[in-house]
Amino acid sequence: GAVVSQHPSRVICKSGTSVKIECRSLDFQATTMFWYRQFPKQSLMLMATSNEGSKATYEQGVEKDKFLINHASLTLSTLTVTSAHPEDSSFYICSASPLDRNTEAFFGQGTRLTVV
Amino acid sequence: GQNIDQPTEMTATEGAIVQINCTYQTSGFNGLFWYQQHAGEAPTFLSYNVLDGLEEKGRFSSFLSRSKGYSYLLLKELQMKDSASYLCAAMDSNYQLIWGAGTKLIIKP
Repeated sequence: GAVVSQHPSRVICKSGTSVKIECRSLDFQATTMFWYRQFPKQSLMLMATSNEGSKATYEQGVEKDKFLINHASLTLSTLTVTSAHPEDSSFYICSASPLDRNTEAFFGQGTRLTVV
Repeated sequence: GQNIDQPTEMTATEGAIVQINCTYQTSGFNGLFWYQQHAGEAPTFLSYNVLDGLEEKGRFSSFLSRSKGYSYLLLKELQMKDSASYLCAAMDSNYQLIWGAGTKLIIKP
């Protein structure tokens, strides 16, 4: 199956600092990648859709200036949490669909962010 | 509005069979997905249905009825490692996934 690599898997940062999370499709190209966050015991919530070569599309209520998304190539998207606060602590997951199989979405391993 | 309903929690016995139901309402429909998620990990893909009927993959099967907006995931010969959350997600006309809250499956010896 297609592999999506997400890095780092865990990160602890201080309030006010920024954290970058990378999402790479290792053996396929994806024009679109999705970023989700998941709070404990809750469902995945779509934050934004990352489109290669264009601006990301953010879901209602997600601050685009706080969650910066860059999709510079067909295999890499990054999410930067800027000026992190403890309430940003969550599980962040990316997914990507191969160009020729857009009905399947493959997920990265997820990133556990803890802001102290 | 768009909505996915599935039970919050289910309990089953090792070696038995369990069926997890999911009903959905979406703007357009491009398929129904089931994912398995162990605590602290990202979801892993289990199945995709877009046509009515049953799709079988080893111990796991998934069923879809588009007219009823209904799907189920059937797990046979349950093993302890099947203890996880099972997420139902429907793809709408914009090819975006609408997620259910997940069903926590507890397997008892």
